[in-house]
This record gives sequence, C-alpha cells and structure tokens, in this order.
Amino acid sequence: SQTIHQWPATLVQPVGSPLSLECTVEGTSNPNLYWYRQAAGRGLQLLFYSVGIGQISSEVPQNLSASRPQDRQFILSSKKLLLSDSGFYLCAWKTGVNTEAFFGQGTRLTVV
Amino acid sequence: ELKVEQNPLFLSMQEGKNYTIYCNYSTTSDRLYWYRQDPGKSLESLFVLLSNGAVKQEGRLMASLDTKARLSTLHITAAVHDLSATYFCAVDRSILQGGSEKLVFGKGTKLTVNP
Repeated sequence: SQTIHQWPATLVQPVGSPLSLECTVEGTSNPNLYWYRQAAGRGLQLLFYSVGIGQISSEVPQNLSASRPQDRQFILSSKKLLLSDSGFYLCAWKTGVNTEAFFGQGTRLTVV
Repeated sequence: ELKVEQNPLFLSMQEGKNYTIYCNYSTTSDRLYWYRQDPGKSLESLFVLLSNGAVKQEGRLMASLDTKARLSTLHITAAVHDLSATYFCAVDRSILQGGSEKLVFGKGTKLTVNP
C-alpha cells in the first residue's frame, strides 16, 4: 500500500535561518507531488507542484523553493526564513487523473 | 485561473439539524474532492466526484456534483457533534485544457455542531 512520510512534525526556527522539509512517498511511482501551506485558521495555499523529477511549478512567488531530486521525494526549502513563513506545511501525492490526493501528517513551522 | 469558493466559511448548528455547504469553482472541471480536517491534523479524503450528477454518501454526509453549474454540495443530515471539523472542497484543473493537474482548494468551512 502507498504511504507518505513527512518530517519533522514540528519545527521552531529563528528568522533568517534556512529550512528544509522533506516528503517521501512509498508504494507508488511517478506521482504528482504538492506542497501546501496553511496559516492558522486559514485555507490551503498551493505553493508548488511537480509532475515529474526536476519538474517544479511555483504557484506563489515567495521566500521558498522546491526540488524533486527523486521520483518519490519532494523537498521544500528556504535560504532565510521570514516570520510570515510560519504555518502548517502539508505534502500531498496523487496518481492518475481520477483519484484524490493523499496528505502527509504535516509540519508545523514556527518562525521566531 | 482556477478559483474555488466555499460558503459558508463558518457554520454553527445544533445536533439533529440539516445543512448544506456549497462549493463553486470558476473553470471547467469534472473532478471534485471533499476533505475533512480536524484541529491540528492533516486532511482526510471524504469523497471523490468524477462526473456530472455524481452523488456519494457516507453516513450523515452526502456530496454531489453539477459540472454544468460548476457547483458541488456537501449535505449534512441530522448532525452530530463528531462531525465538527473543517471541510474543504478541491478541484483539479481539467487536463483537456492543456494544464497539468493542479489541485486547488477552497478556504474551508469550519463546522461546529452544538449539543
């Protein structure tokens, strides 16, 4: 069966520090991969999505970047965090046209 | 640009009552999804609606899709406290439009069911 791993679960980082969040999927191949951010009490903002290795589409210009070095690995990064980067980050995967996306457990990032 | 709008954004209802959450979207799509999110948790898939007129039911929740009206509804029947959560709809941009599968979410409806 397919599973998605996202870590860490919580993270407290100072302003100006770098960030690396990793997401890996098991049990499937060539998934679409997504990074979403959810600010406190808000909806889901699509940050990046990827349809294949090295293929990254950015939805919102901001202080973040994404990479997909392997088929089932999706990484969210920042060189210098801002206070506004705080939020709940969710990785998701999807295969096939007519299936739902499945989400990881999320990373709660607090920038202080 | 694909936009997904939900209403209401906040819903407080009494146990035993019925209510409907609405999800409108701006571009052609025949794939719509409903998710549930409990506080502090990730999203859990509820329904997958893949064609015009699709209707799915699970317990006290029923979802439907009208692709011509670009509208989906999530109907709650005889609400119970356990249904308290935030509900999201999400839409794929249709591949027929030449776009890749970009999954866009509504802002969510925070449902509180009071005893």
